[in-house]
Amino acid sequence: AQTVTQSQPEMSVQEAETVTLSCTYDTSESDYYLFWYKQPPSRQMILVIRQEAYKQQNATENRFSVNFQKAAKSFSLKISDSQLGDAAMYFCAYRSAWGSQGNLIFGKGTKLSVKP
Amino acid sequence: NAGVTQTPKFQVLKTGQSMTLQCAQDMNHEYMSWYRQDPGMGLRLIHYSVGAGITDQGEVPNGYNVSRSTTEDFPLRLLSAAPSQTSVYFCASSYATGSRTNYGYTFGSGTRLTVV
Repeated sequence: AQTVTQSQPEMSVQEAETVTLSCTYDTSESDYYLFWYKQPPSRQMILVIRQEAYKQQNATENRFSVNFQKAAKSFSLKISDSQLGDAAMYFCAYRSAWGSQGNLIFGKGTKLSVKP
Repeated sequence: NAGVTQTPKFQVLKTGQSMTLQCAQDMNHEYMSWYRQDPGMGLRLIHYSVGAGITDQGEVPNGYNVSRSTTEDFPLRLLSAAPSQTSVYFCASSYATGSRTNYGYTFGSGTRLTVV
């Protein structure tokens, strides 16, 4: 079974600085998708960025980018120019690309604080 | 607005009561899932469905029941509420695996359930 591990329960960053959230996963599959979700206090689950395992190029979305290391099974999220609105819980998630087991598997989350 | 509609947003139950959390999506998604979120545990899968008439258990199915009579609706039933079921519940939907362009999940806004 696949697992997702986020080793940093809490992180803190100064406004305008850069922070990296870690995520590792375990799978025997070669084709899958990876996601970072943001959950602000409103508790809405917001998709931040996604990555297809068959693509070597790292995904980027404005100030958010990932470092995808397939061999190391690592999928870290970098937030540049951090803003107060980035403060939230961040969840890393995995999804198989094929077969009926296409559910999202989540890590336990990292709580990010942004200091003004 | 297209998306996942989840009701109610808040609910307080007494131990032993039953209730149904409603979930509806209008995106013609094949996959629908229910997750529960507890502090420090991330989101854990309760039940999921890969299409109308097909359901299966996730990681934490005990005490919950589901059915999927239509593509749009996927209600979650608590048969006899227990304090251990106090949690935040999310419904989510997605296209089936194999879609290279639309493989992300869309989440409802969540239900905060308290069992006293």
